[in-house]
Amino acid sequence: DAGITQSPRHKVTETGTPVTLRCHQTENHRYMYWYRQDPGHGLRLIHYSYGVKDTDKGEVSDGYSVSRSKTEDFLLTLESATSSQTSVYFCAISLQGQNQPQHFGDGTRLSIL
Amino acid sequence: DQQVKQNSPSLSVQEGRISILNCDYTNSMFDYFLWYKKYPAEGPTFLISISSIKDKNEDGRFTVFLNKSAKHLSLHIVPSQPGDSAVYFCAALFRGQGNLIFGKGTKLSVKP
Repeated sequence: DAGITQSPRHKVTETGTPVTLRCHQTENHRYMYWYRQDPGHGLRLIHYSYGVKDTDKGEVSDGYSVSRSKTEDFLLTLESATSSQTSVYFCAISLQGQNQPQHFGDGTRLSIL
Repeated sequence: DQQVKQNSPSLSVQEGRISILNCDYTNSMFDYFLWYKKYPAEGPTFLISISSIKDKNEDGRFTVFLNKSAKHLSLHIVPSQPGDSAVYFCAALFRGQGNLIFGKGTKLSVKP
């Protein structure tokens, strides 16, 4: 168990509203990631962080922002949610560094109506 | 353009037989490959990995083979068990970067 908690686990909201998803880890690991999973696409990287206040964009970052003010928390924000952002969102941590297996949380299912 | 490809969306195997899941990649800069297993409503679980300097890695019933010249890797599960039924994702890492590139997944069904 890599000690990753995602909240909320499920959320339904309306187009145009802001949404924040939280990833919390208990292991004090440096690297954290946000992915989305959609049918026919596998998992795609949204943003990642390599330390407090150090973040970078992934493959599908448009419409998303992130923040990491503490080692244990990595927040993903949809400033104005759109229906195309309906997806399952996974947070991951890297236990030993960049070129090591990532371990995933159980996901947040987000529906935007 | 998809850099990691799993061309078989699904695979059905009888319990006790071998399951072979395939993955192709296009970018020779990948230097680390991983397989993940995913059950419904759960996050992906790391299964096994292989570095580009090796051609085989084994862990119990799971073996990953890497053919760099063909840019192909495969996951062998022997013997297959009903509990192995899940979606399997192949993933790759670029040299010096931590961003996993995933394939679309293959759904394995192991029938009793």
